[in-house]
Amino acid sequence: GAVVSQHPSRVICKSGTSVKIECRSLDFQATTMFWYRQFPKQSLMLMATSNEGSKATYEQGVEKDKFLINHASLTLSTLTVTSAHPEDSSFYICSARETIPFFGPGTRLTVL
Amino acid sequence: QKEVEQNSGPLSVPEGAIASLNCTYSDRGSQSFFWYRQYSGKSPELIMFIYSNGDKEDGRFTAQLNKASQYVSLLIRDSQPSESATYLCAAVKAAGNKLTFGGGTRVLVKP
Repeated sequence: GAVVSQHPSRVICKSGTSVKIECRSLDFQATTMFWYRQFPKQSLMLMATSNEGSKATYEQGVEKDKFLINHASLTLSTLTVTSAHPEDSSFYICSARETIPFFGPGTRLTVL
Repeated sequence: QKEVEQNSGPLSVPEGAIASLNCTYSDRGSQSFFWYRQYSGKSPELIMFIYSNGDKEDGRFTAQLNKASQYVSLLIRDSQPSESATYLCAAVKAAGNKLTFGGGTRVLVKP
């Protein structure tokens, strides 16, 4: 099946710093990628839809100025958590679809 | 009402038995349905998808879709302890659109 990678797999940062997470489609081009967040014992919550060459579409309640998304190429989307706080600690997962949606391995963010 | 609903479980199944997972959806515009398995601390992995009414079999897995009843199910035959995980049902309205997930059903396969 199609492969989606994420980097880094785990990051620990201090409160107030910014963290960038990369999502890559390895063997296909993805004009659209999706960013999810998952808190412990909860289901995935869609944060935003990343569109190549245009602005991302954010779900209700997600701050676009805090979670910056850049989809600069057909194989790369980045999510930057700006001025991270402990409540942003979560599991961030991206998804891309060729014909069906596949998920990246996820990034565990811990904000101290 | 949530768009996609699943029983949270846990669903306890003896090793070698059939695990039966159910999912209902509220939006009749939903066209395709996906089942993912998620182990604790890991991202979801695709098990199978279905978009036509009826049954679809893939190895030990069978997905069933009933659009009139807005119901999707997944059967896992010969369940193994290594398959203890949370199973997520997801729906999408059209190709390229976002997935809407249910809350997931936790399955425990006991040796």
